[in-house]
Amino acid sequence: DVKVTQSSRYLVKRTGEKVFLECVQDMDHENMFWYRQDPGLGLRLIYFSYDVKMKEKGDIPEGYSVSREKKERFSLILESASTNQTSMYLCASSLVLQETQYFGPGTRLLVL
Amino acid sequence: DAKTTQPPSMDCAEGRAANLPCNHSTISGNEYVYWYRQIHSQGPQYIIHGLKNNETNEMASLIITEDRKSSTLILPHATLRDTAVYYCIVRWSGGSNYKLTFGKGTLLTVNP
Repeated sequence: DVKVTQSSRYLVKRTGEKVFLECVQDMDHENMFWYRQDPGLGLRLIYFSYDVKMKEKGDIPEGYSVSREKKERFSLILESASTNQTSMYLCASSLVLQETQYFGPGTRLLVL
Repeated sequence: DAKTTQPPSMDCAEGRAANLPCNHSTISGNEYVYWYRQIHSQGPQYIIHGLKNNETNEMASLIITEDRKSSTLILPHATLRDTAVYYCIVRWSGGSNYKLTFGKGTLLTVNP
């Protein structure tokens, strides 16, 4: 069965902190994605990765970086958290870049 | 990707079939119809997808009209846990189409 897990369901951080969000998939998928979801704005792609150590910017990469050292793990880093990064963060993976994406449970991040 | 239109909300009695419509009149020949759902505060869950033939899996059935301009997602025996926002999207599995975009979807409320 398809499984994408995220390190935390809820996270509270202070402005200026460095924040790590981790995502792990057990489906041997090549591609992994990070989105954020905000009311009224829908899903927005932050970064994606199509192979180990490969990454591409999405629509809103500013203030974020990513790391993919192993195929199954994709990390999202907020270098210096700001209040406008309070959001629901969703990780997804897919076998083929343009095909079905499977999502994790999400991390709801609150930056104070 | 072609635009989709869904009713904003629907109700269904527990144990009855839930039929969720989606209009995609501008769909092109190589675009797939995908359905996802999102239970409150959780990550989106993939349900089913199809090109032109009807599809069925353990979760739902997808009926696509012959002209492919509309489709219906059927949950055969709705339960309270099926209460969620259901998103119908149209995607072309080719080129650089890698990001998912959800519209407003249909809030399905299953009532006891």
